[in-house]
Amino acid sequence: DVKVTQSSRYLVKRTGEKVFLECVQDMDHENMFWYRQDPGLGLRLIYFSYDVKMKEKGDIPEGYSVSREKKERFSLILESASTNQTSMYLCASSLRLPNTEAFFGQGTRLTVV
Amino acid sequence: AQTVTQSQPEMSVQEAETVTLSCTYDTSENNYYLFWYKQPPSRQMILVIRQEAYKQQNATENRFSVNFQKAAKSFSLKISDSQLGDTAMYFCASYGNKLVFGAGTILRVKS
Repeated sequence: DVKVTQSSRYLVKRTGEKVFLECVQDMDHENMFWYRQDPGLGLRLIYFSYDVKMKEKGDIPEGYSVSREKKERFSLILESASTNQTSMYLCASSLRLPNTEAFFGQGTRLTVV
Repeated sequence: AQTVTQSQPEMSVQEAETVTLSCTYDTSENNYYLFWYKQPPSRQMILVIRQEAYKQQNATENRFSVNFQKAAKSFSLKISDSQLGDTAMYFCASYGNKLVFGAGTILRVKS
């Protein structure tokens, strides 16, 4: 069974904290993605990666950074969390070819207080 | 730029009836792929159906089928014989140089 695992299902952090959201996939996929999901806005792409140590900005990268030191792990970093980053965060992975489906983690609901 | 637009925030349908969800997209890529994903209350995203843009034939998966109009950049999803388990948020997505999603349509199937 394919699996994308996000480290936390729910997370509460304080404003100004550095936050790490971890995502691990066990399918040897080249591509990994981070999205945030907000009501009425759907899934918006934050960052994606085509390979180890490679990263590309998505549509809303401001306030975020990412790290991909190993193929199976893709981390999303909030350098200084703010209340407007309260959201659902979804990680996904896929093979390099775009005609294969993306597999998603179960999501992390982050609340910044 | 790559964009996906879903203009129906919410829809409802009676059990066993047919419903169509709309999606339009824009991309500058010549080779791209289109998808419909389902997100039930469990939050787990599930692929419903995919379409390669170079294929003229519309994709079908059991009760799910698409109407792909390439010139109009339209990609609608038809669900036949709707079931209570189809109640979910449905997302349209396109994959050219990145995987981009629309805002989603909440579908409620009523008994």
